[in-house]
Amino acid sequence: GAVVSQHPSWVICKSGTSVKIECRSLDFQATTMFWYRQFPKQSLMLMATSNEGSKATYEQGVEKDKFLINHASLTLSTLTVTSAHPEDSSFYICSAYLLHEQFFGPGTRLTVL
Amino acid sequence: EDKVVQSPLSLVVHEGDTVTLNCSYEVTNFRSLLWYKQEKKAPTFLFMLTSSGIEKKSGRLSSILDKKELFSILNITATQTGDSAVYLCAVERQGGSEKLVFGKGTKLTVNP
Repeated sequence: GAVVSQHPSWVICKSGTSVKIECRSLDFQATTMFWYRQFPKQSLMLMATSNEGSKATYEQGVEKDKFLINHASLTLSTLTVTSAHPEDSSFYICSAYLLHEQFFGPGTRLTVL
Repeated sequence: EDKVVQSPLSLVVHEGDTVTLNCSYEVTNFRSLLWYKQEKKAPTFLFMLTSSGIEKKSGRLSSILDKKELFSILNITATQTGDSAVYLCAVERQGGSEKLVFGKGTKLTVNP
């Protein structure tokens, strides 16, 4: 089956620093990947759609300058949380789209101190 | 605004019970409805429903869609403790956006 990995699986950082999260499709190519954020006891909220070779499309209310997305290849999308603050602490999940189905990565738990 | 509403938000049952989880939606240009199971990490896919009235079944789980009344149910029979999880309903729109709109989920706890 289609496998998506994320790295790191968890990260703790200090307020003001930047954190990069990688999302890889391991056995297929994905022109479209999605980034979600999930707060405790809440559902997945779509942050942005990442398209290979073009700019990401951000959902309303998501700051594109704070959450930088790069989709440089058909198997890799990265999300960089710039100048992270404690309110950015969350579970970040990516998915890769293939044949009308989204395959989810295992998620990255970000804690900003 | 697209909306997906799940009920109940949480449910506690005993092993062997049968449960029904509900998902209603209001989405422009509906394409499909999906059910996921989320334990501690990312959601795992259960079902994709596109047509009304056709039940999809996988072991003790089954699901059906009603496109006229805009809802779906997920049934789990003879529940086991391993069924404890958050069950998420999501709707995909037509038009090539491929985006999913998720409900808040139903947290199911199955006690031995």
